[in-house]
Amino acid sequence: DAGVIQSPRHEVTEMGQEVTLRCKPISGHDYLFWYRQTMMRGLELLIYFNNNVPIDDSGMPEDRFSAKMPNASFSTLKIQPSEPRDSAVYFCASRGLTGELFFGEGSRLTVL
Amino acid sequence: AQSVTQLDSQVPVFEEAPVELRCNYSSSVSVYLFWYVQYPNQGLQLLLKYLSGSTLVKGINGFEAEFNKSQTSFHLRKPSVHISDTAEYFCAVSDLNNQGGKLIFGQGTELSVKP
Repeated sequence: DAGVIQSPRHEVTEMGQEVTLRCKPISGHDYLFWYRQTMMRGLELLIYFNNNVPIDDSGMPEDRFSAKMPNASFSTLKIQPSEPRDSAVYFCASRGLTGELFFGEGSRLTVL
Repeated sequence: AQSVTQLDSQVPVFEEAPVELRCNYSSSVSVYLFWYVQYPNQGLQLLLKYLSGSTLVKGINGFEAEFNKSQTSFHLRKPSVHISDTAEYFCAVSDLNNQGGKLIFGQGTELSVKP
């Protein structure tokens, strides 16, 4: 298996633009998680899905953030409009049988 | 609610010396415990995990951790570190009652191995 695949790896955009981050989980994993990593706040759980259904989105910072999982092999995290304080590395992870998470390489977002 | 505290934000150590990275957690229920490692510009990789059974858990790259329920700790150790162990290390806890296996991470410990 190729592991969790995220795209793009790097994104530079201007304030106010829409940003879409993509994730393909490991086949057969039924949980998918989105995390955000910054120096100030460390790793924060934004939202997670079970069988494509959002279970807990309490970590989503505000309405500008939205996430979808239209099928078992694809998820998106969208920020509209983006702001400089959204600059971070965004990780997608999927869950194995014993609760361990497998992480993608991350998407580094810079909002100017 | 669960929480994880990594007691040291940075740990400098010389090559071939032993190292211990400390982790304490708080939870009102039984938990699973994990250590992850993050190399620069990469995602997190699982080092080891405690689910049940023996309290001494061995992981990859010569690391091990000991679960101490009375002290609510899960410290990570390696008897002799290499330059290549330089990375950020994260302790994480998952609530056994939470079917989602949501992981709560500590703030991370930056291990710096010097020659």
